[in-house]
Amino acid sequence: DTGVSQNPRHKITKRGQNVTFRCDPISEHNRLYWYRQTLGQGPEFLTYFQNEAQLEKSRLLSDRFSAERPKGSFSTLEIQRTEQGDSAMYLCASSLGSRIPRINEQYFGPGTRLTVT
Amino acid sequence: ELKVEQNPLFLSMQEGKNYTIYCNYSTTSDRLYWYRQDPGKSLESLFVLLSNGAVKQEGRLMASLDTKARLSTLHITAAVHDLSATYFCAVDPTSGSARQLTFGSGTQLTVLP
Repeated sequence: DTGVSQNPRHKITKRGQNVTFRCDPISEHNRLYWYRQTLGQGPEFLTYFQNEAQLEKSRLLSDRFSAERPKGSFSTLEIQRTEQGDSAMYLCASSLGSRIPRINEQYFGPGTRLTVT
Repeated sequence: ELKVEQNPLFLSMQEGKNYTIYCNYSTTSDRLYWYRQDPGKSLESLFVLLSNGAVKQEGRLMASLDTKARLSTLHITAAVHDLSATYFCAVDPTSGSARQLTFGSGTQLTVLP
């Protein structure tokens, strides 16, 4: 499968615990995005990497959230001291940064569903 | 702050009928995307609309973009059950490169036999 992959697909954790999610983008894509989606809503942007550099962060990304993309390949999203409000689907997307607009199309992974109890 | 509004939010239609989903956005953009999401699944790209007057068609779906009106439409022709899903429009307000997308709330489409 050459699409975007995410692990784990589901995570149940207790409030206050730390969790980490992983995203593997399409191999030649240099741009990687994290979004959060709650039930009945569209995805909301969290952060964006170009290669290994984190270039944009949403105001939604509180101090408890941190994302990395070492070596410009896979990315991790960590949530510290989870809260019930963090329960959501966390989506990763990647795109091939280019001046040709179509190639900037974002391809989404299957998501990680987080439930904080 | 960019706002993207879709309507209707819920749409139930009979097979064989036509309908249109509307997507309004609040800031200048010449790049708009339509995605489909099945329950419990991720988002599948349907259309990328890159300029005023752009029209794209695939099967029973046709999307158009009017940048002056800040409006995109997704038209469904002769609906079939397989089209049941949630449809999102998303706007990239940044010219020159696609970075963050701002999504509408989605239109949940149910096609009834």
